[in-house]
Amino acid sequence: DIVMTQSPDSLVVSLGERATINCKSSQSLLYSFNNKNYLAWYQQKPGQPPKVVISWASTRESGIPDRFSGSGSETDFTLTINNLQAEDVAVYYCHQYYTAPYTFGQGTKLEIK
Amino acid sequence: EVQLVESGGALIQPGGSLRLSCAASGFTFSDYWMNWVRQAPGKGLMWVARINGDASSTYYADSMKRRLTISRDNTRQMVYLQMNGLRSEDTALYFCARGHGENWYYDLWGRGTQVTVSS
Repeated sequence: DIVMTQSPDSLVVSLGERATINCKSSQSLLYSFNNKNYLAWYQQKPGQPPKVVISWASTRESGIPDRFSGSGSETDFTLTINNLQAEDVAVYYCHQYYTAPYTFGQGTKLEIK
Repeated sequence: EVQLVESGGALIQPGGSLRLSCAASGFTFSDYWMNWVRQAPGKGLMWVARINGDASSTYYADSMKRRLTISRDNTRQMVYLQMNGLRSEDTALYFCARGHGENWYYDLWGRGTQVTVSS
């Protein structure tokens, strides 16, 4: 199984500052046939289901503010949230959908300072 | 409205069985692969099972596969998860989630149904 490891486990950032969450996979998520990385980021707020914010490692989903961005390739990925807002408080998960069994990182809890 | 609504969760004794249901609406159900993902209390996400659009292909997490059956009824726009031999460690919120293909992210989630396994 592909192991997804996020860092840090928790993060406290001031309003208006930048939050950076990292995700490392135990094998490459880059499919050479289409040059796509099979990596998504989800945001989960308390009492809500997860919501995809980034797919294919760097594609922002419809309706997601442009302060959210994803980067990285193969085994190392980053979710960056610029100009942090109060509504960004959540747990963030990375998710590999390269191959079954599909696996998630352990989550990173983002809080406001 | 495009949505998924799970049901069927319950408090059940160890060793019992349960069938979870997920009702889809607002989209062409048969075009999508459907998944079940669970979340134990205070824990992260764990993918459990998936089924393709015409129900010809299923796949399960190794840790559960002998105890699970995923199925779907495209005429009713429903996906099901039959769980047998339930254990305390199966206690979780079970979400159904939609993907566009076999290896795809999940762009639509239900709110989940709670399964609690306890005597």
